[in-house]
Amino acid sequence: QAQLVQSGGEVKKPGASVKVSCRASGYAFTSFLISWVRQAPGQGLEWMGWISSYKGTTNNAQKFQGRVTMTTDTSTSTAYMELRSLRSDDTAVYYCARAGAVAGHMDVWGKGTTVTVSS
Amino acid sequence: DIQMTQSPSSLSASVGDRVTITCRASQSISSYLNWYQQKPGKAPKNLIYAASTLQSGVPSRFSGSGSGTDFTLTITSLQPEDFATYYCQQSYSILYTFGQGTKLEIK
Repeated sequence: QAQLVQSGGEVKKPGASVKVSCRASGYAFTSFLISWVRQAPGQGLEWMGWISSYKGTTNNAQKFQGRVTMTTDTSTSTAYMELRSLRSDDTAVYYCARAGAVAGHMDVWGKGTTVTVSS
Repeated sequence: DIQMTQSPSSLSASVGDRVTITCRASQSISSYLNWYQQKPGKAPKNLIYAASTLQSGVPSRFSGSGSGTDFTLTITSLQPEDFATYYCQQSYSILYTFGQGTKLEIK
């Protein structure tokens, strides 16, 4: 069955960068988008952006413009999300999710990667 | 960006109750509306997509309706495992957005 496996938790200092990976299996990787969603402690879901696994096209929420880079490696069916210039309010669980290019719903989710930003 | 507003923000109900959660978009999104359930410490789970299509494996007590700007998620005959937080999400725009969530608690 379709599955997304994310990399382990990270602790970073303010100003640093973090790169989270998301390895897909059990489906045709290039047939779907990979969306990134984060959730700060006790808060709701926040959509960050998506990448087309086929074309590499990306779209990001304006809030993250210039600070986030999303990439994919089709040879390993892995998506990556790099967030730079980390601040304490970037502390959150970061999820990757598979999304259909037409309906846009996120039907397969990774278990999440906790990123803690602390001095 | 398209803003999504859910109501209520929290809701208390009993096992067996019928509950309705509303999601309103700041502009028309046709039927590009999806619903998710999230339990503490877990990833969200897609319940409904395209406003009213039940995701495979989701119990039929969940249903969705609406189009344009106003949408509802209805749960008939609440079960203990349904107490969770629910989110709507629009995929009409290439820039997706979520509602703020509705926490469904046991009365």
